[in-house]
Amino acid sequence: EIVMTQSPATLSVSPGERATLSCRASQSISRNLAWYQQKPGQAPRLLIYGAFTRATGFPVRFSGSGSGTDFTLTILYLQSEDSAVYYCQQYDNWPRTFGQGTRLEI
Amino acid sequence: QVQLQESGPGLVKPSETLSLICTVFGGSISSYQWSWIRQSPGKGLEWIGYIHDSGITNYSPSLKSRVTISVDTSKNEFSLTLNSVTAADTAVYYCARDSGDLDVWGKGTTVTVSS
Repeated sequence: EIVMTQSPATLSVSPGERATLSCRASQSISRNLAWYQQKPGQAPRLLIYGAFTRATGFPVRFSGSGSGTDFTLTILYLQSEDSAVYYCQQYDNWPRTFGQGTRLEI
Repeated sequence: QVQLQESGPGLVKPSETLSLICTVFGGSISSYQWSWIRQSPGKGLEWIGYIHDSGITNYSPSLKSRVTISVDTSKNEFSLTLNSVTAADTAVYYCARDSGDLDVWGKGTTVTVSS
């Protein structure tokens, strides 16, 4: 089973600044990585797939990068509405596995 | 626009069977694949299992002995069965469309295991 490790666990950033969230896989997953945004009381929402392709509805402030084992989600010009928990998920191998999440506080 | 809706009992007794259904609205269940995911209170996301429209399944190793996922194309729905539940199975259960990434999610349904 591929273990996904996210860091930091919690990130506090001021409005207008940049947030950098990391996700590391225990073995190479090529670019078979997705990011999700989850707000309180809501289902997760697909944010990034294929490591860098932004899903419908998310602004260009959100970007993903990386391949192999190390991946990054970058959010520019942070807004209060970006406060959420962000999860990464690999789909290179079975079983599908998630990171433990990064809580982003604005 | 495809939408998913989970349904099933909100309360299950320990040692009994949890059964949930995910109904697909606004599109056909065929030609896609589907997954179940759960989230224990205050915890992260746990993938439970997957079903291909051909009926092929893949399950989490930690739950494999207790889980069955099936699809009913005539009703445009797929289901989750989890046997011998304990308090540790208390969670919000989500269904999702699975393209590797999970691009469409239901709103989730809360299942509590308690006597």
